[in-house]
Amino acid sequence: GQSLEQPSEVTAVEGAIVQINCTYQTSGFYGLSWYQQHDGGAPTFLSYNALDGLEETGRFSSFLSRSDSYGYLLLQELQMKDSASYFCAVTPEAGNTPLVFGKGTRLSVIA
Amino acid sequence: NAGVTQTPKFQVLKTGQSMTLQCAQDMNHNSMYWYRQDPGMGLRLIYYSASEGTTDKGEVPNGYNVSRLNKREFSLRLESAAPSQTSVYFCASSDGLSEETQYFGPGTRLLVL
Repeated sequence: GQSLEQPSEVTAVEGAIVQINCTYQTSGFYGLSWYQQHDGGAPTFLSYNALDGLEETGRFSSFLSRSDSYGYLLLQELQMKDSASYFCAVTPEAGNTPLVFGKGTRLSVIA
Repeated sequence: NAGVTQTPKFQVLKTGQSMTLQCAQDMNHNSMYWYRQDPGMGLRLIYYSASEGTTDKGEVPNGYNVSRLNKREFSLRLESAAPSQTSVYFCASSDGLSEETQYFGPGTRLLVL
């Protein structure tokens, strides 16, 4: 089976740093993705990790530890516009199966 | 370049009515997907199409049918709508089935009374 666990809600202060964790148990693993979704909008792709370590894209970074079946999304210098839901997603294996999404973490950025 | 488009944006149905949700992409992607999103449940895959001419069931296919009309278009049909199908439906596409980057349409908000 496939299961991804992430916190349902996180609150953080504007200008601060927040980390959203994702642990997964899947029958296969090829990579971990992160998506952002604002209220009323569609999910949009943020980042992808296939190898262990940190990937940085501007204020956002994503980390993967394959041995721990764990990853996180790190958001720095939080802005109000970062208030959204964030989904982790696993690629179970290359070429044959679609992504499996977690249930999402709702991030609220407060002043 | 419109990306992924969906019609309609909103729909209200009565129990037992049928309807088809339309989805089209102009990115020449091979794979297309239909998801439903309910509060607290994340994105659940209904059906997907790895390539033109193929379709497969996802996590929650009951009550739905799909057609991959051509490479651009992938439709979702509710034959006899039920209140449990009240949801937001997203269509998405990607270059390949395991491609980590999926592009989502704006969604269809469906209410079944």
